[in-house]
Amino acid sequence: SQQGEEDPQALSIQEGENATMNCSYKTSINNLQWYRQNSGRGLVHLILIRSNEREKHSGRLRVTLDTSKKSSSLLITASRAADTASYFCATVISGNTGKLIFGQGTTLQVKP
Amino acid sequence: GAGVSQSPSNKVTEKGKDVELRCDPISGHTALYWYRQSLGQGLEFLIYFQGNSAPDKSGLPSDRFSAERTGGSVSTLTIQRTQQEDSAVYLCASSLAVSFSGANVLTFGAGSRLTVL
Repeated sequence: SQQGEEDPQALSIQEGENATMNCSYKTSINNLQWYRQNSGRGLVHLILIRSNEREKHSGRLRVTLDTSKKSSSLLITASRAADTASYFCATVISGNTGKLIFGQGTTLQVKP
Repeated sequence: GAGVSQSPSNKVTEKGKDVELRCDPISGHTALYWYRQSLGQGLEFLIYFQGNSAPDKSGLPSDRFSAERTGGSVSTLTIQRTQQEDSAVYLCASSLAVSFSGANVLTFGAGSRLTVL
């Protein structure tokens, strides 16, 4: 079974709006990562947040992590049509030697 | 190479045939992963290799699936006696290192789309 679950499964917004995606996971983690996938092919790494961090920024991306709730959120500010893609969270379970487990993903559509 | 290379990019085969999918990771990356993604779904972990350690095969769905990594570089995923439910995109990824901190960032290939008729 998958470790992470994202919600919503699908999100449609207008260009310029902010998009928020959430990820929940089941067991203790070492870190949590977010990836983007265009056109159903390879994924691209966006950002990594460690279990001892609460918030991280990268450009228009803001990631939060709440280990007490076993959840993370990805915020994309001032969205662009080019942000249209699927977004996945991925976790490495504490004590594991690096097996990265992905959630089911959120499909984001940004309308121009 | 500059990125993770996978071949073939598309493979159509008949039910019951064997297929081999190849992954050439980034030079120097010690960890290599295989995932499967069915249409519109998330990534299903299959197997990963780390250096000379025994691979983690916990995600392989059946004994028809196997993978090897020769010389710590190129990996081949083999599916024997393919079934229609094996149709999916098979994604390979590599990372520089795997540590107990788990701070391994994956670089993915473009995937191999397998269609079993």
